Amino acid sequence: DAGVTQSPTHLIKTRGQHVTLRCSPISGHKSVSWYQQVLGQGPQFIFQYYEKEERGRGNFPDRFSARQFPNYSSELNVNALLLGDSALYLCASSQEQDIQYFGAGTRLSVL
Amino acid sequence: QQQVKQSPQSLIVQKGGISIINCAYENTAFDYFPWYQQFPGKGPALLIAIRPDVSEKKEGRFTISFNKSAKQFSLHIMDSQPGDSATYFCAASYTGNQFYFGTGTSLTVIP
Repeated sequence: DAGVTQSPTHLIKTRGQHVTLRCSPISGHKSVSWYQQVLGQGPQFIFQYYEKEERGRGNFPDRFSARQFPNYSSELNVNALLLGDSALYLCASSQEQDIQYFGAGTRLSVL
Repeated sequence: QQQVKQSPQSLIVQKGGISIINCAYENTAFDYFPWYQQFPGKGPALLIAIRPDVSEKKEGRFTISFNKSAKQFSLHIMDSQPGDSATYFCAASYTGNQFYFGTGTSLTVIP
């Protein structure tokens, strides 16, 4: 079985632009969570979706938004990019409520 | 406010030695405590996890020790190998939703 897949793997944007990151969960998993990992730090929770409903939101500005589709894949959108948004964005899927499986992430660089 | 505090930041161990990483938490509502291993360029991979109703869990060379009264838990890697060199994150969650991660420990195992 394929693991959590994220696309693209790398992305370079300039300040003020918009970005969309995509995630496909493990087959059968209905929950997707998004995390931001700044270099040298642990992942920080952004959103969790379950059955297309938002179940949780971390302490991130409204520039960050997400959605989950009927096939349980998900998108993370970030508007008006700032230099500080440069990070590894991780998607995790879960079937049971506790065990989360992470993808390899999307490395976003904002110039 | 850092919900989960992790130490040390970095650790160097000789091959065959024991690696010990410690974490402390404040929120007594946390009911799931996983450890993740992350290699450069990869997403975190679940290593081992514990719930607060047990004091220890062992899987192969990896052991979690959990002290509910002290609100601390630790990862012990026995017979450490060069292939164990990676960054390790502890985490905590409740209701299976948002995960709070520690700041990570960079482990280097010297041959």
